[in-house]
Amino acid sequence: GAGVSQSPSNKVTEKGKDVELRCDPISGHTALYWYRQSLGQGLEFLIYFQGNSAPDKSGLPSDRFSAERTGGSVSTLTIQRTQQEDSAVYLCASGYAVGGQTEAFFGQGTRLTVV
Amino acid sequence: GQSLEQPSEVTAVEGAIVQINCTYQTSGFYGLSWYQQHDGGAPTFLSYNGLDGLEETGRFSSFLSRSDSYGYLLLQELQMKDSASYFCAVRGYGGATNKLIFGTGTLLAVQP
Repeated sequence: GAGVSQSPSNKVTEKGKDVELRCDPISGHTALYWYRQSLGQGLEFLIYFQGNSAPDKSGLPSDRFSAERTGGSVSTLTIQRTQQEDSAVYLCASGYAVGGQTEAFFGQGTRLTVV
Repeated sequence: GQSLEQPSEVTAVEGAIVQINCTYQTSGFYGLSWYQQHDGGAPTFLSYNGLDGLEETGRFSSFLSRSDSYGYLLLQELQMKDSASYFCAVRGYGGATNKLIFGTGTLLAVQP
């Protein structure tokens, strides 16, 4: 079956513009994560959706960042008034996250460049 | 909060054995996972330790000791294709800790 799909794969935007990044998780996965990865760095947690529970937004770096997950499936990460420090690869992952299940399946990411 | 520390870089030669350590500070969690990420690629799941002890999967083994707040990934018979970044990860029990948190990552360079 299809894996996690993210679009666009690359996005170049001007400072101050808003961007939307899309994630299509694997069908049936209840958990969906967004991470940010700067060049040569680790995976910075942004937000976590699990089923119908309220999302864990504790990793969002500022109020310019928001995310939603519609119908328990597709998710959109929105960055308003982009800044150059927002440039990074944004990775989405999905999984079951039930009990000890910790395997997350990652998309190929969206490389965001703010100029 | 939760934090997982790893060495930033490890270098080894082809055919050798290398151990990548992960030390953590976290409250209850289900287990320790390991992920591999090649340059420019997506992280992929390697292994999971729910219980203390050693789990073996081919050339890769992973170990967890909850009493020592420590785990490691052991790679044997290193190959050039093993050059990648390796991340440990935990997911806590419910509530604010239920998210999947990754360690700082270790860049493994395998030399001929």
